[in-house]
Amino acid sequence: AQSVTQLDSQVPVFEEAPVELRCNYSSSVSVYLFWYVQYPNQGLQLLLKYLSGSTLVKGINGFEAEFNKSQTSFHLRKPSVHISDTAEYFCAVSKAGNTPLVFGKGTRLSVIA
Amino acid sequence: DVKVTQSSRYLVKRTGEKVFLECVQDMDHENMFWYRQDPGLGLRLIYFSYDVKMKEKGDIPEGYSVSREKKERFSLILESASTNQTSMYLCASNPTGTVNEKLFFGSGTQLSVL
Repeated sequence: AQSVTQLDSQVPVFEEAPVELRCNYSSSVSVYLFWYVQYPNQGLQLLLKYLSGSTLVKGINGFEAEFNKSQTSFHLRKPSVHISDTAEYFCAVSKAGNTPLVFGKGTRLSVIA
Repeated sequence: DVKVTQSSRYLVKRTGEKVFLECVQDMDHENMFWYRQDPGLGLRLIYFSYDVKMKEKGDIPEGYSVSREKKERFSLILESASTNQTSMYLCASNPTGTVNEKLFFGSGTQLSVL
């Protein structure tokens, strides 16, 4: 079975600084990888996804992630964060086919003015 | 605009009560899911359904059941609520055959069992 580990439960960062949120997965088969974001008092929404092809994936709001098969990682990055990026971020994995997503425990990003 | 609607934002129930959480989507999606979200534990899958009258157990189905009588509605049932079922419950949907692309989430129901 696949699983996801988000290495940091909380990440505080100053406004306009770069940020990296780390995600490692384990699976014996090919996987699809996702990052979702949950703003305060809202449901989750998709930030970006890796299905195949280029290992560098760009998403909404200036975020990007890089799929690294050898390190089984899918870290999320943004070169300059804003206050509005304060939210909880979830990494998720799915096997090929129509199988449900398995989510990580989440990383709470706090952007400080 | 696509929409997944959960009937209650906040719900308070007593231990032993039977609780129904309702979820409706207006996108004609085949797949529907129930997750619970707890601080430090992330999202955990309770049940999912790929079609009307079909259901599959997720990772933590104990104490829960589901009903999918119509394509647009997926209900989560707590047969006898317990305090350890106090949680945020999230419903989601997506169309079949899309390799689990974008899940559409509702805003969640915060359930407190006293």
